[in-house]
Amino acid sequence: QKEVEQDPGPLSVPEGAIVSLNCTYSNSAFQYFMWYRQYSRKGPELLMYTYSSGNKEDGRFTAQVDKSSKYISLFIRDSQPSDSATYLCAMSLPSGAQKLVFGQGTRLTINP
Amino acid sequence: DTAVSQTPKYLVTQMGNDKSIKCEQNLGHDTMYWYKQDSKKFLKIMFSYNNKELIINETVPNRFSPKSPDKAHLNLHINSLELGDSAVYFCASSLRVSGSRDEQFFGPGTRLTVL
Repeated sequence: QKEVEQDPGPLSVPEGAIVSLNCTYSNSAFQYFMWYRQYSRKGPELLMYTYSSGNKEDGRFTAQVDKSSKYISLFIRDSQPSDSATYLCAMSLPSGAQKLVFGQGTRLTINP
Repeated sequence: DTAVSQTPKYLVTQMGNDKSIKCEQNLGHDTMYWYKQDSKKFLKIMFSYNNKELIINETVPNRFSPKSPDKAHLNLHINSLELGDSAVYFCASSLRVSGSRDEQFFGPGTRLTVL
């Protein structure tokens, strides 16, 4: 079993829809949680960053962390075709070297 | 003004060959990383260097040898290439090794194909 599980999709939704992306993890020691966006043939770029449990909002994006359930989510409101990309969740321990453990990534397509 | 750059972008080679991938960052970061992304988009860390010192060495075959001549450069040399080495290799950098979790900036990737 992988440390971080993420449904690879693909996920296809119409423009304007609310998108929900999720990851589950097994290591309860993870404290830092991130969402990266990766466009085709590009490197991942950081989208959202959350420490421990709670919600964080940035424009159309909301990240949620539920440490009791070992479950994190990314919500995209009013989705746009430019949001079409692969979304990777990542997490790391609170101390030591910054080893990010990634989920497999969910491929998302927003249809105009 | 590229932040993290990698060369080459594409690399096609025969099994058994030795090849190198170069990475440079101009962000003034202390820590650099190599990741491997397989065909299913699974991204896994291989190595990390902080100020030229190896700090993360995952379970990677010893055919892979990273080298950091200075903190702005981290190269990856691969000996005796195998078919299973075909993947996209990403270099990344971040400001410091511990403390707050600093953002890792990724390069554009090197797509390695072993024939």
